[in-house]
Amino acid sequence: SYVLTQPPSVSVAPGKTATITCGGNNIGSKSVHWYQQKPGQAPVLVISYNGDRPSGIPERFSGSNSGNTATLTLNRVEAGDEADYYCQVWDNSGDHPGVIFGGGTKLTVL
Amino acid sequence: EVQLVESGGALVQPGGSQRLACAGSGFSFSGYSLNWVRQAPGKGLEWIAYISISGDSIYYADSVKGRFTISRDNAKNSLFLQMNNLRDDDTAIYYCARGSLELDSWGQGTLVTVSS
Repeated sequence: SYVLTQPPSVSVAPGKTATITCGGNNIGSKSVHWYQQKPGQAPVLVISYNGDRPSGIPERFSGSNSGNTATLTLNRVEAGDEADYYCQVWDNSGDHPGVIFGGGTKLTVL
Repeated sequence: EVQLVESGGALVQPGGSQRLACAGSGFSFSGYSLNWVRQAPGKGLEWIAYISISGDSIYYADSVKGRFTISRDNAKNSLFLQMNNLRDDDTAIYYCARGSLELDSWGQGTLVTVSS
């Protein structure tokens, strides 16, 4: 089945830019969605269809997708952005269609 | 406001069964596909089941196939997950989530603990 690979952790200073990657075989041909999950809370969709921001998500959040890597970028990082971030695709390949999540990346704001 | 509220979480013995429910409100429930996603303690998100708008397309993760059954009652704005033959590694928070390609709304989750 399709595998999404994320770095376990990323650290960034406040006000700087954080980049979280999501690797997958030819992921650029798929639509990638990103979720933010803070401790004790349910996940929240922050980027859909590679780079679209749902209503209420700050413009500091952006996404891109090409080749074998999708990227979530957080500009001007704030303490409140500290959370786990997950990438996700819908996989139609093989006999078992379904949702695939990456392993998650813990973003630490220094 | 879109709301999804899960219920039914409990402490269950290995080999036992449990039925989870998810009540939707604030949107046209019958117009959306739905999913169950779980998260074991300290672990990442794991998708486990999908059901289409009318229920005619259903998919499962290999980890639960043959043991879990997803269903829905559009007249009652409700989603269900019947879990049989539960194992220790089924211990998790279970979330219902709305959507097909992207999961745009999530409930707060319900905890299922499998332990003797």
